[in-house]
Amino acid sequence: NAGVTQTPKFQVLKTGQSMTLQCAQDMNHEYMSWYRQDPGMGLRLIHYSVGAGITDQGEVPNGYNVSRSTTEDFPLRLLSAAPSQTSVYFCASSYSRQSQETQYFGPGTRLLVL
Amino acid sequence: GEDVEQSLFLSVREGDSSVINCTYTDSSSTYLYWYKQEPGAGLQLLTYIFSNMDMKQDQRLTVLLNKKDKHLSLRIADTQTGDSAIYFCAENDPGTYKYIFGTGTRLKVLA
Repeated sequence: NAGVTQTPKFQVLKTGQSMTLQCAQDMNHEYMSWYRQDPGMGLRLIHYSVGAGITDQGEVPNGYNVSRSTTEDFPLRLLSAAPSQTSVYFCASSYSRQSQETQYFGPGTRLLVL
Repeated sequence: GEDVEQSLFLSVREGDSSVINCTYTDSSSTYLYWYKQEPGAGLQLLTYIFSNMDMKQDQRLTVLLNKKDKHLSLRIADTQTGDSAIYFCAENDPGTYKYIFGTGTRLKVLA
């Protein structure tokens, strides 16, 4: 198993550009989520999905869209990038919503918006 | 409310014990977690504890939970240089799918 994979590892965007951060898992996990990590703020939940076709907003959803057309993939779209979206983005997955299930994290995507 | 707080930095000497503290505000959380993040990597689950437990031990790691004070701690015995990382505590928001993370504590182990 590759676990949770994210692409790209690094990206530089200009303000106003759009892009998609890719996330995939090969563990047949129901639950997938996107976080952003900023210095001194820990991880903040952007969007999450409890299964194919089902998504919901987290703590900081503005400026981001997601879709879950398959169990494996959960892309995060930035519609019009802003400097405030400069961050490290982590995708995570777990088998179910049960609290004791381990969340597996991807290696992260570092995004710089100029 | 949902807020998980940690001190930002901790420095210890190799071989000493490290204690990383965390306070949380949602007393109805059922599980509390400790994650480790090494430089340039994602988060790795170290351990978790049921909210009805006071203590959990796993090799060099000891988790203590004081539910009355909403205080969680992680003790690392015989701290090694490989333990240098950022440690996050997290709680699961019951009834939702949300995990709430603390700000992270950067542990530096001095040789």
